[in-house]
Amino acid sequence: DTGVSQDPRHKITKRGQNVTFRCDPISEHNRLYWYRQTLGQGPEFLTYFQNEAQLEKSRLLSDRFSAERPKGSFSTLEIQRTEQGDSAMYLCASSLVDRRQSSYNSPLHFGNGTRLTVT
Amino acid sequence: AQSVTQPDIHITVSEGASLELRCNYSYGATPYLFWYVQSPGQGLQLLLKYFSGDTLVQGIKGFEAEFKRSQSSFNLRKPSVHWSDAAEYFCAVGALTGGGNKLTFGTGTQLKVEL
Repeated sequence: DTGVSQDPRHKITKRGQNVTFRCDPISEHNRLYWYRQTLGQGPEFLTYFQNEAQLEKSRLLSDRFSAERPKGSFSTLEIQRTEQGDSAMYLCASSLVDRRQSSYNSPLHFGNGTRLTVT
Repeated sequence: AQSVTQPDIHITVSEGASLELRCNYSYGATPYLFWYVQSPGQGLQLLLKYFSGDTLVQGIKGFEAEFKRSQSSFNLRKPSVHWSDAAEYFCAVGALTGGGNKLTFGTGTQLKVEL
């Protein structure tokens, strides 16, 4: 178990540029989540995948945000035309759920996050 | 909609002293409750969780939490704090939506430990 890996750890970009983050979940985990954490706040849910299917998106996820998990393994989160308000820590988490147990018996394992700074 | 309130933004305790971090939640059904810890520059680590059953839940690193439905609380406790416990602590409530672990987090409590 190598844990959830996120790349890059830090990203500084100018307003208006596009950025893409990558998340590699724990290999056998079938669910993958994206959260955003701004300074002084707790993480806020953005979206989650069950295998390759994106099952829910928060209203926080504007049209400039898109997430994919093409083969049900790693995921990418892209932000187009970045704004200063996008500056935050973007956290990825994964979990394993099977049909025999409640989803809440499988805790989320978080990565160390990607810190985005938009100047 | 569910929400979590952590009324204490900062708490300072002496090493060896007991600790209690407060958490109040609002949720329309049976809540699923969690405590996570976050060290600087790190992701979140699960300390403990409550789904059902015994209202006193034991977690890792000597932490425990008690679910009190009448008070809508899920306070985190530790009888003797170690300097390595200094970190930020988040309480979260889970919402069953599409079967996913959609968690709503509180704003966190920053714990400082004095030696």
